[in-house]
Amino acid sequence: AQSVTQPDIHITVSEGASLELRCNYSYGATPYLFWYVQSPGQGLQLLLKYFSGDTLVQGIKGFEAEFKRSQSSFNLRKPSVHWSDAAEYFCAVGAGYGNKLVFGAGTILRVKS
Amino acid sequence: DVKVTQSSRYLVKRTGEKVFLECVQDMDHENMFWYRQDPGLGLRLIYFSYDVKMKEKGDIPEGYSVSREKKERFSLILESASTNQTSMYLCASTQRVPGQVLAKNIQYFGAGTRLSVL
Repeated sequence: AQSVTQPDIHITVSEGASLELRCNYSYGATPYLFWYVQSPGQGLQLLLKYFSGDTLVQGIKGFEAEFKRSQSSFNLRKPSVHWSDAAEYFCAVGAGYGNKLVFGAGTILRVKS
Repeated sequence: DVKVTQSSRYLVKRTGEKVFLECVQDMDHENMFWYRQDPGLGLRLIYFSYDVKMKEKGDIPEGYSVSREKKERFSLILESASTNQTSMYLCASTQRVPGQVLAKNIQYFGAGTRLSVL
């Protein structure tokens, strides 16, 4: 069965600094990978997804993620963080026909000014 | 824009009460999901539904049931609420795309219902 690990529960970065959120997945074949963001008091919103092809994918709000099969990773990056990026970020994996998404535990991002 | 609406943002119930959480989506989506979200555990799937009157157990169905009498509405039922069901509950929906695996579909989420069972 597939699983997702987000090793960092909390991350704090300064506004304007770069950001990398880590995600490792467990699955034998090529998975379908997603990053969602949850702002305070809100539901989850899709940032980006990877199914196949180019391993660097672009998303909304200036985020990107890179799929690395050899490391079973799908890390989320942003070159310059804004205070409005403070939120909880979830990595998710899906695989196989009819399979649902499995979510990681989430990483809470704090942005300090 | 897709809209998934959960009827209550906050609920406080007593142990043993029967609790109904309602979710409505306005995009004619076939698939609907109920998750619970707990700190440090992420989202865990409780139940999902492929179509009206159809339901499938997710990873943590114990203590819950669901109802889908109309395509746009998916209800989560706690038959006898317990304190360990205090949590945030999120509803989601996706469109069915012919020939595409379910796991590829983008899930659209409601804002959540924070349930406290005392």
